[in-house]
Amino acid sequence: DTVLTQSPALAVSPGERVTISCRASESVSTLMHWYQQKPGQQPKLLIYKASNLASGVPARFSGSGSGTDFTFTIDPVEADDIATYYCHQSWNSDTFGAGTKLELK
Amino acid sequence: EVQLVESGGGLVQPGRSLKLSCAASGFTFSNYYMAWVRQAPKKGLEWVATISTSGSRTYYPDSVKGRFTISRDNAKSSLYLQMNSLKSEDTATYYCARHVRYPDYFDYWGQGVMVTVSS
Repeated sequence: DTVLTQSPALAVSPGERVTISCRASESVSTLMHWYQQKPGQQPKLLIYKASNLASGVPARFSGSGSGTDFTFTIDPVEADDIATYYCHQSWNSDTFGAGTKLELK
Repeated sequence: EVQLVESGGGLVQPGRSLKLSCAASGFTFSNYYMAWVRQAPKKGLEWVATISTSGSRTYYPDSVKGRFTISRDNAKSSLYLQMNSLKSEDTATYYCARHVRYPDYFDYWGQGVMVTVSS
């Protein structure tokens, strides 16, 4: 299985720029996608195929990368962005990262 | 508006079976692959199963292969997950998700249904 490694948690202040990383144990080309999950809610697609913004998602969210190293950025962060963010690769079956919890400073 | 509504969860003893359902609306169900993704309490997401548009092709990770069966009824716009030989580690919230092929991501998710496997 392709293992995806994310940093466990990040503390941010509204208005800041935050970058979340996701490293794959092997190349996944650009088949990396990002989801936001707020407590008690289902995941929501934000970015697909590494850098494509999903429908209705604000341009404050962006993604980049290819191969094994990917980043997800929020700029600027808003208070409503406090959530857990998951990366997901679909190159080799489907696996998810453990999630990065975004917290307020 | 795309809607996915899961049902059928509950408490079940280890070794027993349970069948989940997902009612889809707001899109042409037969045009899309569909999937189940689960989340154990306080844990991350784990893909469980995917089914092709016609239902002729199904895909599973090793953790559930041989125990879980995904199926669909396009006439009823419904997705199912038959879970047999349940184990405590199958305890999770199960999400129904629409699967967009090439590049294979999940663009809409249901609200989830809880399955608890315990004696």
